[in-house]
Amino acid sequence: DAGVIQSPRHEVTEMGQEVTLRCKPISGHNSLFWYRQTMMRGLELLIYFNNNVPIDDSGMPEDRFSAKMPNASFSTLKIQPSEPRDSAVYFCASSWGTGAYEQYFGPGTRLTVT
Amino acid sequence: GENVEQHPSTLSVQEGDSAVIKCTYSDSASNYFPWYKQELGKGPQLIIDIRSNVGEKKDQRIAVTLNKTAKHFSLHITETQPEDSAVYFCAAPMNRDDKIIFGKGTRLHILP
Repeated sequence: DAGVIQSPRHEVTEMGQEVTLRCKPISGHNSLFWYRQTMMRGLELLIYFNNNVPIDDSGMPEDRFSAKMPNASFSTLKIQPSEPRDSAVYFCASSWGTGAYEQYFGPGTRLTVT
Repeated sequence: GENVEQHPSTLSVQEGDSAVIKCTYSDSASNYFPWYKQELGKGPQLIIDIRSNVGEKKDQRIAVTLNKTAKHFSLHITETQPEDSAVYFCAAPMNRDDKIIFGKGTRLHILP
């Protein structure tokens, strides 16, 4: 199995630009999680989906962030417009169920907004 | 909501010695406690987990202990090796296992 796939691995963009991060979960997993990792705030859950439906988006910082999961094998996290404080590593993870199951993390996307 | 406190934030241990990382949680309904290891440039990876029906679980050099009364759980690594150097995260669920909240992490250094 290829594991969770994220693209791009690195993204450098200017403030105000739109950024789209992509994730392909492990085949057969029915839950998908988006996390943001920074030195100051650690690993924060932004949003998670179960069976392609957003269940909890309380961690999404503000309206500039949006996430979609159009089918079981693809999800996107979009930031529009991006700001320097959005600079972080964004991880996608998938699992067989929600919280109480092993989550498989992708390699992450390192986002730098200048 | 759930709050997970992890200590210490940094730990240096001589190779071959043991390392212990501790976490406390606030939601008494929590019943699943995973530990993740994150190596440089990679995503976190589950190394061991425990459910509340047991007090201890071991897997080779790694063990996790759980004290539900005190609401704390610990990761124990024995006979540490250089490849144990990484950041370790504990986690606990909130909203009755709906999602997990991660601790702030412990950076473990294994000294030669």
